[in-house]
Amino acid sequence: EDKVVQSPLSLVVHEGDTVTLNCSYEVTNFRSLLWYKQEKKAPTFLFMLTSSGIEKKSGRLSSILDKKELFSILNITATQTGDSAIYLCAVPVYGQNFVFGPGTRLSVLP
Amino acid sequence: GAGVSQSPSNKVTEKGKDVELRCDPISGHTALYWYRQSLGQGLEFLIYFQGNSAPDKSGLPSDRFSAERTGGSVSTLTIQRTQQEDSAVYLCASSFRGGRPSSYNEQFFGPGTRLTVL
Repeated sequence: EDKVVQSPLSLVVHEGDTVTLNCSYEVTNFRSLLWYKQEKKAPTFLFMLTSSGIEKKSGRLSSILDKKELFSILNITATQTGDSAIYLCAVPVYGQNFVFGPGTRLSVLP
Repeated sequence: GAGVSQSPSNKVTEKGKDVELRCDPISGHTALYWYRQSLGQGLEFLIYFQGNSAPDKSGLPSDRFSAERTGGSVSTLTIQRTQQEDSAVYLCASSFRGGRPSSYNEQFFGPGTRLTVL
């Protein structure tokens, strides 16, 4: 059964801290891994990763994939209160199309 | 241009009633997905439409759930005889599935419909 696991499920930090969110997966026919940020209802796309070892970066956010160890990390440096959200990891799979992890709820305190 | 829209934004209903949730995808997007998110849970895939192909219904939790997509555009998710465990946010997403069958195109999510079954 295709599976995506995220850790931690919940994280509370203070502004300025750096956080690392983890996503591990077990899927057949792996093609890519995606990260989303969900603040209210609709998730917004952050990154798509297809190749191992190549860091994707957008401002204070960065992400990298390890296809050998079947995981990805999402780093956020110098966190701000606006980073508070649920961060979702998803993997497209054949047929069902997307399996989402349970998400990491990040709370950034002022 | 306009993004994915969903209606209603909130729906409160009584147990046993039927509900219809609507999704208007981005114009030109051939793929449409329905997900639901229960309180504190991750996104759960429900159903997927791609062009004129038969939909992938593998995620529908019971036969009380059905969905259709008319004219390759608007989609309606219907829940019959609602139960309290159906309470969740129902999210719709669309993407343009061009290119190779194995290619991925970014999903754009709608704002969701929050369904509360009393």
